[in-house]
Amino acid sequence: QKEVEQNSGPLSVPEGAIASLNCTYSDRGSQSFFWYRQYSGKSPELIMSIYSNGDKEDGRFTAQLNKASQYVSLLIRDSQPSDSATYLCAVRTSYGKLTFGQGTILTVHP
Amino acid sequence: DTEVTQTPKHLVMGMTNKKSLKCEQHMGHRAMYWYKQKAKKPPELMFVYSYEKLSINESVPSRFSPECPNSSLLNLHLHALQPEDSALYLCASSQVAGGIFDQYFGPGTRLLVL
Repeated sequence: QKEVEQNSGPLSVPEGAIASLNCTYSDRGSQSFFWYRQYSGKSPELIMSIYSNGDKEDGRFTAQLNKASQYVSLLIRDSQPSDSATYLCAVRTSYGKLTFGQGTILTVHP
Repeated sequence: DTEVTQTPKHLVMGMTNKKSLKCEQHMGHRAMYWYKQKAKKPPELMFVYSYEKLSINESVPSRFSPECPNSSLLNLHLHALQPEDSALYLCASSQVAGGIFDQYFGPGTRLLVL
C-alpha cells in the first residue's frame, strides 16, 4: 500500500463547477496535511494546510480532514481555467518526513 | 513573506563538471530541504537540514553533497553527475523539521546533464 494515494486523474470540470480532489494515507500517526498546486514547469505552491479534523476554508478552497478514515480532500468552488494544474497531496508522517501522493491533474474547461 | 529563492534557474553541465545549486530563505526557518523532481512525478526528498545539521539523507549518491553554511543558506554541490540526474531540483524550508509547520518551496533549478 502506498503511503499517500490520490484519486486517479486526470480530472476535468467545467468552469464554475466544484472540483473535488481526494487523498488517503496509511500512517495513522501523521500530523499535518498539505495541498500543493503545481503548474507545468513550475515549483509546488502551498495552497492549503490542515492539522485538525474538520473543514478549513480559504477563499474558494476548502480542505477536509478525517483522521479516523485517514482521508483528506480539497474542494475548489467556482473553478476557473487558471486552476488547471497538478494538485499534490502531501502528508507529514509520524517520523517527520513529508510524503507526496502521485498528484492529480485538474483541467477546468471554459 | 514566504519566499525561498534558488539560483541558478537553469543549469547545463557535463558529466565531469562541478557545479553548485544555491538556496536562500529569510523567514527564520530552521529546517531546509532538497528535493529532486522528475517529469510527471512528485518531489522526492533528498536531504533535510535541521538547525544547520544534516538530519536526513535519503540514501542519495555521494555525487550530491549538501552544505548548510548558516540558517538562511543551503547549497547542493554537484560532481560527476549522470544524465539520469537531469531533473528539477527544489529547495524548501519550514519553521522546524516535522510537526505542524507549513513547508514552502523555492522556484527550483532545472538541471540538464549532458
